[in-house]
Amino acid sequence: SAVISQKPSRDICQRGTSLTIQCQVDSQVTMMFWYRQQPGQSLTLIATANQGSEATYESGFVIDKFPISRPNLTFSTLTVSNMSPEDSSIYLCSVRTSGGYNEQFFGPGTRLTVL
Amino acid sequence: QQQVKQSPQSLIVQKGGISIINCAYENTAFDYFPWYQQFPGKGPALLIAIRPDVSEKKEGRFTISFNKSAKQFSLHIMDSQPGDSATYFCAARGGGSYIPTFGRGTSLIVHP
Repeated sequence: SAVISQKPSRDICQRGTSLTIQCQVDSQVTMMFWYRQQPGQSLTLIATANQGSEATYESGFVIDKFPISRPNLTFSTLTVSNMSPEDSSIYLCSVRTSGGYNEQFFGPGTRLTVL
Repeated sequence: QQQVKQSPQSLIVQKGGISIINCAYENTAFDYFPWYQQFPGKGPALLIAIRPDVSEKKEGRFTISFNKSAKQFSLHIMDSQPGDSATYFCAARGGGSYIPTFGRGTSLIVHP
Protein backbone atom coordinates (compact mmCIF):
# COMPACT_ATOMS: atom_id res chain seq x y z
CA SER A 1 0.00 0.00 0.00
CA ALA A 2 0.95 3.67 -0.01
CA VAL A 3 0.35 6.45 2.48
CA ILE A 4 -0.56 9.71 0.79
CA SER A 5 -0.84 13.14 2.35
CA GLN A 6 -2.23 16.29 0.81
CA LYS A 7 -1.93 19.95 1.70
CA PRO A 8 -4.03 21.90 2.28
CA SER A 9 -6.87 19.71 3.47
CA ARG A 10 -9.32 22.48 2.67
CA ASP A 11 -9.33 26.07 1.52
CA ILE A 12 -11.70 28.87 0.69
CA CYS A 13 -10.51 31.07 -2.15
CA GLN A 14 -11.63 34.11 -4.05
CA ARG A 15 -12.46 33.87 -7.71
CA GLY A 16 -9.62 34.76 -10.02
CA THR A 17 -6.93 33.49 -7.67
CA SER A 18 -4.89 30.28 -7.87
CA LEU A 19 -4.31 27.49 -5.40
CA THR A 20 -1.53 24.92 -5.41
CA ILE A 21 -2.25 21.54 -3.84
CA GLN A 22 0.63 19.39 -2.69
CA CYS A 23 0.72 15.60 -2.66
CA GLN A 24 3.35 13.60 -0.79
CA VAL A 25 3.71 9.81 -0.90
CA ASP A 26 5.63 7.69 1.59
CA SER A 27 7.27 5.59 -1.11
CA GLN A 28 8.53 6.06 -4.63
CA VAL A 29 5.85 5.60 -7.26
CA THR A 30 6.01 5.95 -10.98
CA MET A 31 2.44 6.91 -11.64
CA MET A 32 0.53 9.65 -9.89
CA PHE A 33 -2.90 10.93 -10.78
CA TRP A 34 -5.05 13.91 -9.97
CA TYR A 35 -8.82 13.52 -9.72
CA ARG A 36 -11.71 15.85 -9.12
CA GLN A 37 -14.78 14.81 -7.19
CA GLN A 38 -17.74 17.14 -7.14
CA PRO A 39 -20.20 16.81 -4.25
CA GLY A 40 -22.08 13.53 -4.42
CA GLN A 41 -20.41 12.61 -7.67
CA SER A 42 -17.95 10.04 -8.89
CA LEU A 43 -14.25 10.49 -9.55
CA THR A 44 -13.14 12.35 -12.65
CA LEU A 45 -9.54 12.00 -13.76
CA ILE A 46 -7.86 15.33 -14.46
CA ALA A 47 -4.41 14.15 -15.48
CA THR A 48 -1.68 11.57 -15.09
CA ALA A 49 1.63 12.85 -13.77
CA ASN A 50 4.73 10.77 -14.41
CA GLN A 51 8.13 11.87 -13.19
CA GLY A 52 10.35 13.19 -15.92
CA SER A 53 7.63 13.82 -18.46
CA GLU A 54 4.81 16.22 -19.12
CA ALA A 55 1.50 15.44 -17.49
CA THR A 56 -1.14 13.84 -19.67
CA TYR A 57 -4.50 15.59 -19.44
CA GLU A 58 -7.94 14.07 -19.93
CA SER A 59 -10.50 15.52 -22.24
CA GLY A 60 -11.92 18.72 -20.81
CA PHE A 61 -8.86 19.60 -18.75
CA VAL A 62 -6.01 21.80 -19.96
CA ILE A 63 -2.56 22.58 -18.68
CA ASP A 64 -3.16 26.32 -18.47
CA LYS A 65 -5.99 25.76 -16.02
CA PHE A 66 -4.48 22.83 -14.09
CA PRO A 67 -0.69 22.96 -14.30
CA ILE A 68 0.99 19.98 -12.66
CA SER A 69 4.51 19.46 -11.43
CA ARG A 70 6.18 16.12 -10.68
CA PRO A 71 9.71 16.89 -9.54
CA ASN A 72 10.46 13.45 -8.07
CA LEU A 73 8.96 10.02 -7.41
CA THR A 74 7.28 10.96 -4.12
CA PHE A 75 5.83 14.41 -4.74
CA SER A 76 3.48 16.26 -7.07
CA THR A 77 1.54 19.50 -7.14
CA LEU A 78 -1.67 20.51 -8.87
CA THR A 79 -2.47 24.18 -9.34
CA VAL A 80 -6.02 25.33 -9.95
CA SER A 81 -5.61 28.59 -11.83
CA ASN A 82 -7.87 31.59 -12.24
CA MET A 83 -10.50 29.93 -10.12
CA SER A 84 -14.24 30.31 -10.51
CA PRO A 85 -17.05 28.95 -8.30
CA GLU A 86 -17.36 26.04 -10.75
CA ASP A 87 -13.95 24.84 -9.55
CA SER A 88 -15.35 24.20 -6.08
CA SER A 89 -14.73 20.52 -5.59
CA ILE A 90 -12.63 17.91 -3.83
CA TYR A 91 -9.27 17.34 -5.48
CA LEU A 92 -7.69 13.94 -4.91
CA CYS A 93 -4.16 12.77 -5.44
CA SER A 94 -3.78 9.11 -6.31
CA VAL A 95 -0.89 6.74 -6.90
CA ARG A 96 -0.53 3.38 -8.56
CA THR A 97 1.80 0.97 -6.86
CA SER A 98 4.09 -1.45 -8.64
CA GLY A 99 3.85 -5.18 -8.25
CA GLY A 100 0.93 -7.40 -7.34
CA TYR A 101 -2.22 -6.08 -8.89
CA ASN A 102 -0.82 -2.56 -9.19
CA GLU A 103 -3.50 -1.21 -6.92
CA GLN A 104 -4.44 2.43 -6.89
CA PHE A 105 -4.59 4.41 -3.67
CA PHE A 106 -6.01 7.82 -2.90
CA GLY A 107 -5.02 10.68 -0.65
CA PRO A 108 -7.43 12.29 1.79
CA GLY A 109 -8.39 15.02 -0.66
CA THR A 110 -8.38 18.81 -0.68
CA ARG A 111 -11.78 20.42 -0.33
CA LEU A 112 -11.80 23.66 -2.31
CA THR A 113 -14.49 26.30 -2.11
CA VAL A 114 -14.33 29.24 -4.50
CA LEU A 115 -16.38 32.31 -3.65
CA GLN B 1 -20.83 6.63 -22.63
CA GLN B 2 -20.58 5.26 -19.12
CA GLN B 3 -18.62 2.02 -19.19
CA VAL B 4 -19.39 0.94 -15.61
CA LYS B 5 -22.97 1.21 -14.43
CA GLN B 6 -23.52 1.07 -10.67
CA SER B 7 -26.77 0.62 -8.81
CA PRO B 8 -28.49 1.53 -6.64
CA GLN B 9 -27.53 5.17 -6.20
CA SER B 10 -28.50 4.99 -2.55
CA LEU B 11 -29.24 2.16 -0.16
CA ILE B 12 -30.66 2.03 3.33
CA VAL B 13 -30.21 -1.14 5.36
CA GLN B 14 -30.95 -2.10 8.91
CA LYS B 15 -28.13 -3.16 11.18
CA GLY B 16 -27.40 -6.84 10.70
CA GLY B 17 -28.84 -6.92 7.20
CA ILE B 18 -27.14 -7.61 3.90
CA SER B 19 -26.15 -4.71 1.66
CA ILE B 20 -25.86 -5.48 -2.04
CA ILE B 21 -24.42 -3.13 -4.63
CA ASN B 22 -24.32 -4.08 -8.29
CA CYS B 23 -22.11 -3.04 -11.18
CA ALA B 24 -22.18 -3.89 -14.86
CA TYR B 25 -19.50 -3.24 -17.41
CA GLU B 26 -19.29 -3.22 -21.18
CA ASN B 27 -15.62 -3.61 -22.02
CA THR B 28 -14.79 -7.32 -22.10
CA ALA B 29 -11.10 -6.45 -21.90
CA PHE B 30 -11.45 -5.32 -18.30
CA ASP B 31 -9.48 -7.69 -16.06
CA TYR B 32 -9.38 -6.09 -12.62
CA PHE B 33 -12.38 -5.01 -10.57
CA PRO B 34 -11.78 -3.10 -7.32
CA TRP B 35 -14.25 -1.65 -4.86
CA TYR B 36 -13.55 1.53 -2.93
CA GLN B 37 -15.11 2.77 0.30
CA GLN B 38 -15.27 6.49 0.98
CA PHE B 39 -16.27 8.09 4.26
CA PRO B 40 -17.33 11.74 4.35
CA GLY B 41 -14.33 14.04 4.26
CA LYS B 42 -11.94 11.23 3.35
CA GLY B 43 -10.44 9.89 0.16
CA PRO B 44 -11.60 6.60 -1.33
CA ALA B 45 -9.96 3.56 0.27
CA LEU B 46 -9.40 0.29 -1.57
CA LEU B 47 -11.74 -2.23 0.05
CA ILE B 48 -11.53 -5.42 -1.97
CA ALA B 49 -10.77 -6.40 -5.55
CA ILE B 50 -11.23 -9.37 -7.86
CA ARG B 51 -9.88 -10.71 -11.11
CA PRO B 52 -12.16 -12.53 -13.56
CA ASP B 53 -10.49 -15.89 -13.07
CA VAL B 54 -12.53 -16.40 -9.90
CA SER B 55 -16.25 -16.03 -9.31
CA GLU B 56 -16.11 -14.91 -5.72
CA LYS B 57 -13.73 -13.31 -3.26
CA LYS B 58 -14.43 -12.88 0.42
CA GLU B 59 -12.67 -10.73 2.98
CA GLY B 60 -14.36 -10.70 6.33
CA ARG B 61 -17.91 -9.43 5.92
CA PHE B 62 -17.24 -8.17 2.39
CA THR B 63 -17.70 -10.43 -0.65
CA ILE B 64 -17.35 -9.71 -4.35
CA SER B 65 -19.39 -11.92 -6.67
CA PHE B 66 -18.32 -11.91 -10.30
CA ASN B 67 -20.30 -13.10 -13.33
CA LYS B 68 -18.08 -12.92 -16.38
CA SER B 69 -20.69 -14.04 -18.89
CA ALA B 70 -23.15 -11.42 -17.70
CA LYS B 71 -20.40 -8.80 -17.34
CA GLN B 72 -21.60 -8.03 -13.84
CA PHE B 73 -20.05 -7.93 -10.40
CA SER B 74 -21.46 -7.09 -7.03
CA LEU B 75 -20.41 -6.24 -3.49
CA HIS B 76 -22.17 -7.95 -0.61
CA ILE B 77 -21.77 -6.64 2.91
CA MET B 78 -22.92 -9.22 5.42
CA ASP B 79 -24.13 -8.26 8.88
CA SER B 80 -24.06 -4.60 7.91
CA GLN B 81 -23.05 -2.20 10.67
CA PRO B 82 -23.62 1.54 11.15
CA GLY B 83 -19.86 1.96 10.69
CA ASP B 84 -20.26 0.66 7.14
CA SER B 85 -22.24 3.78 6.27
CA ALA B 86 -20.22 5.31 3.43
CA THR B 87 -20.15 5.75 -0.32
CA TYR B 88 -19.00 2.74 -2.29
CA PHE B 89 -17.51 2.91 -5.76
CA CYS B 90 -16.97 0.00 -8.08
CA ALA B 91 -14.33 0.25 -10.78
CA ALA B 92 -12.95 -1.72 -13.67
CA ARG B 93 -9.59 -1.63 -15.35
CA GLY B 94 -7.85 -3.37 -18.22
CA GLY B 95 -7.74 -3.59 -21.95
CA GLY B 96 -4.35 -1.98 -22.10
CA SER B 97 -5.29 0.92 -19.84
CA TYR B 98 -3.94 1.33 -16.31
CA ILE B 99 -6.60 3.89 -15.51
CA PRO B 100 -9.73 2.48 -13.84
CA THR B 101 -13.22 3.46 -14.87
CA PHE B 102 -15.35 4.24 -11.85
CA GLY B 103 -19.03 3.71 -11.26
CA ARG B 104 -21.12 6.63 -10.03
CA GLY B 105 -21.12 5.46 -6.45
CA THR B 106 -23.66 4.13 -3.96
CA SER B 107 -24.43 5.94 -0.75
CA LEU B 108 -25.04 3.30 1.94
CA ILE B 109 -26.74 4.12 5.21
CA VAL B 110 -26.98 1.44 7.85
CA HIS B 111 -29.52 2.22 10.54
CA PRO B 112 -28.75 1.05 14.09
